[in-house]
Amino acid sequence: AQSVTQLDSQVPVFEEAPVELRCNYSSSVSVYLFWYVQYPNQGLQLLLKYLSGSTLVKGINGFEAEFNKSQTSFHLRKPSVHISDTAEYFCAALYNQGGKLIFGQGTELSVKP
Amino acid sequence: ETGVTQTPRHLVMGMTNKKSLKCEQHLGHNAMYWYKQSAKKPLELMFVYNFKEQTENNSVPSRFSPECPNSSHLFLHLHTLQPEDSALYLCASSQDRGGNTIYFGEGSWLTVV
Repeated sequence: AQSVTQLDSQVPVFEEAPVELRCNYSSSVSVYLFWYVQYPNQGLQLLLKYLSGSTLVKGINGFEAEFNKSQTSFHLRKPSVHISDTAEYFCAALYNQGGKLIFGQGTELSVKP
Repeated sequence: ETGVTQTPRHLVMGMTNKKSLKCEQHLGHNAMYWYKQSAKKPLELMFVYNFKEQTENNSVPSRFSPECPNSSHLFLHLHTLQPEDSALYLCASSQDRGGNTIYFGEGSWLTVV
């Protein structure tokens, strides 16, 4: 079955430290991958996406993610986080164009001063 | 501003009330979606409309009734809800059902008392 797994439900980190939020997806011939961010009391905002091409994808707010086909992973990284990055982050996969967008359970990133 | 606008942002309703959630997208998209986001649960896809036609209903109870009068507007009519229906309801849109990027609105917080 198609699935997306976010390995950490909560990630606490200090300001200016690097962070990695992990995401694994079930393997498929064709998959598009996304990271969304949800700030408190707001909807989901697209951070970045991988459709094809370069496996390193850069998004907004200094985030980037790397598509790793052999490990079926799409981990999100930022070299130095800010307090304002505190939010919930969702990894999602679209299997076969036109299929259902499947979300992971979410990772709550908490940045402390 | 994502181009997807939801109203109201907050709604409190009794179990015998009838209310509606409204979604409007200004992106020229042809596919629209309703998602439900409950605490501690992954996002659940409820309904999909493509070119005004409902293409997916993920076993949603009939007390939720969607309506899509045109490609820019989507409603979710609510009737005799239960307290467990309290959640954040997110509207989203994409170019079409095969469109590979889905954009979300800010959500409507629903509390059923």
